[in-house]
Amino acid sequence: GAGVSQSPRYKVAKRGQDVALRCDPISGHVSLFWYQQALGQGPEFLTYFQNEAQLDKSGLPSDRFFAERPEGSVSTLKIQRTQQEDSAVYLCASSLGVPAGGRSYNSPLHFGNGTRLTVT
Amino acid sequence: AQSVSQHNHHVILSEAASLELGCNYSYGGTVNLFWYVQYPGQHLQLLLKYFSGDPLVKGIKGFEAEFIKSKFSFNLRKPSVQWSDTAEYFCAVPLRGKLIFGQGTELSVKP
Repeated sequence: GAGVSQSPRYKVAKRGQDVALRCDPISGHVSLFWYQQALGQGPEFLTYFQNEAQLDKSGLPSDRFFAERPEGSVSTLKIQRTQQEDSAVYLCASSLGVPAGGRSYNSPLHFGNGTRLTVT
Repeated sequence: AQSVSQHNHHVILSEAASLELGCNYSYGGTVNLFWYVQYPGQHLQLLLKYFSGDPLVKGIKGFEAEFIKSKFSFNLRKPSVQWSDTAEYFCAVPLRGKLIFGQGTELSVKP
């Protein structure tokens, strides 16, 4: 079956350019997460959507980062005025259910292959 | 700060060797624990998970992990690795509705 699809797979941007990264979650999945993975590091949380509502954006590193999921399916992560430190792999993940909160997490995450962003 | 730490950054083993990858988390209480694996060129996928009950958890491909509450640990093990186990392995713990990942351990298995 279709998994989580991300596009483009690779993106090279000159410093100062705006970029938009797309995520197509698994159909019917309520939850959608964006993560940033720097070289040699684990994924770091950026933001979370439950359907079209952005419930947690505590991980967005600056106001240059913006995410949306207007119809509760496809999501776009936009980075304005890219900087070299934005170079990373951006991962999208979706899950059927919603996090129970706290330390409980019953709904497994399905990850996409990621978009590798290189800012020159 | 609450965190997840993985002791080994890069592990190199020969085929048939035994594997143990360390994972420690910094807070107590009831906790769900996960190991994810990322094979070269592929997406992150769930290897195994602990929710409650038996602290020894069996996962796919012969992997297992043991939750030791007193040590705040959830180490990943496999008795005999194969070349196809070459991948990056991530331990993860949920916190306030999101998964917090360790920095990952790259496993290289030599044939």
